[in-house]
Amino acid sequence: AQKITQTQPGMFVQEKEAVTLDCTYDTSDPSYGLFWYKQPSSGEMIFLIYQGSYDQQNATEGRYSLNFQKARKSANLVISASQLGDSAMYFCAMRTMNTGFQKLVFGTGTRLLVSP
Amino acid sequence: DTAVSQTPKYLVTQMGNDKSIKCEQNLGHDTMYWYKQDSKKFLKIMFSYNNKELIINETVPNRFSPKSPDKAHLNLHINSLELGDSAVYFCASSRDRTVANSPLHFGNGTRLTVT
Repeated sequence: AQKITQTQPGMFVQEKEAVTLDCTYDTSDPSYGLFWYKQPSSGEMIFLIYQGSYDQQNATEGRYSLNFQKARKSANLVISASQLGDSAMYFCAMRTMNTGFQKLVFGTGTRLLVSP
Repeated sequence: DTAVSQTPKYLVTQMGNDKSIKCEQNLGHDTMYWYKQDSKKFLKIMFSYNNKELIINETVPNRFSPKSPDKAHLNLHINSLELGDSAVYFCASSRDRTVANSPLHFGNGTRLTVT
């Protein structure tokens, strides 16, 4: 069965610093996709970044990058130059081949607080 | 130009009542979903539909009945509401349900409070 683990319930970072949010996953499928979503206090779910299991390079989207370590089954999100607006819940999620990629399974989330 | 819109944003009702949440997407996606986010922020899939056909029913009580009149709409009807149904319900859509790299696009959520 597929599982996503986010071990950090909360993280603190100062503005302009970089922060890493941890995500490990468990699947026996060779083909899967990993996603990160942001949920600000206003409640909407915002897609940030995607990494495929066969991608050779780590994904990047602006200030977001994904530190993908396939052998360790980790897909950590790195936010560079944190901004106050980055304060939010962050969710790691996965789709796998054994479910036909039919559903996105989420981790429990990490709450990030950016201080001035 | 809202991509996935759901109404209402807030829903407060008493136990035993029946309520509906509506969802519409204008992205041209074939697949739509309902997710439930509990008080601890955990998100769990409830249903998915592809072109009006039910694909996933994730052991949800049959008091919950999704209905998809067309591929752009997926409504959620809940009968005999219980206190434990209080949660935020998210509608979502994706372009392609059969590939790994198709992200879900979420609506803004409906906060349901059952008293």
